[in-house]
Amino acid sequence: DADVTQTPRNRITKTGKRIMLECSQTKGHDRMYWYRQDPGLGLQLIYYSFDVKDINKGEISDGYSVSRQAQAKFSLSLESAIPNQTALYFCATSDGGLAGDRDTQYFGPGTRLTVL
Amino acid sequence: GQNIDQPTEMTATEGAIVQINCTYQTSGFNGLFWYQQHAGEAPTFLSYNVLDGLEEKGRFSSFLSRSKGYSYLLLKELQMKDSASYLCAVREPGGGTALIFGKGTTLSVSS
Repeated sequence: DADVTQTPRNRITKTGKRIMLECSQTKGHDRMYWYRQDPGLGLQLIYYSFDVKDINKGEISDGYSVSRQAQAKFSLSLESAIPNQTALYFCATSDGGLAGDRDTQYFGPGTRLTVL
Repeated sequence: GQNIDQPTEMTATEGAIVQINCTYQTSGFNGLFWYQQHAGEAPTFLSYNVLDGLEEKGRFSSFLSRSKGYSYLLLKELQMKDSASYLCAVREPGGGTALIFGKGTTLSVSS
């Protein structure tokens, strides 16, 4: 089984709809992240969480919200989707460097979201 | 400001050696990562440098010069499966641990 899973893998929705993307991990990591990737723009950090009670905004948090329901689950919501939120969304996890792996981030398979 | 520069595209042939450069200008430095990303897939970790010098891992090596704000990823004995995007990411110091990613270099390997 994959260590980091994302659901759904693909989603097409309409402008104004509320959308939730979910991320689950079995790696036992405390830290979780949400990124979006647009062609030619690289990965941009939306939100990150160091533990269940810690949520931090990234560089492009406007229009997004998150919920850390448990150590293993981190959800990203688009309250009212708009077309320029069409992108590939990745969840990632890291252990804070506790296991000596330099706090390396490990990515889920991604969710391709299209907003019409 | 924060800026990470990589070439947009590179091409090479099977069996060759290719070097992908990354220069960075950030407000601080606490490590540099290289990731590989095949089209439509998740980025996967390749290497990490925090001290100056060369880190070797099989066919892949990564070099860092902190004074120059410069790193490169060296891929030897290229294979078709190495066709992918290669992402350079810098971690700034402090508790934020956020990674700043470059836009990636798309490498095409031909036979």
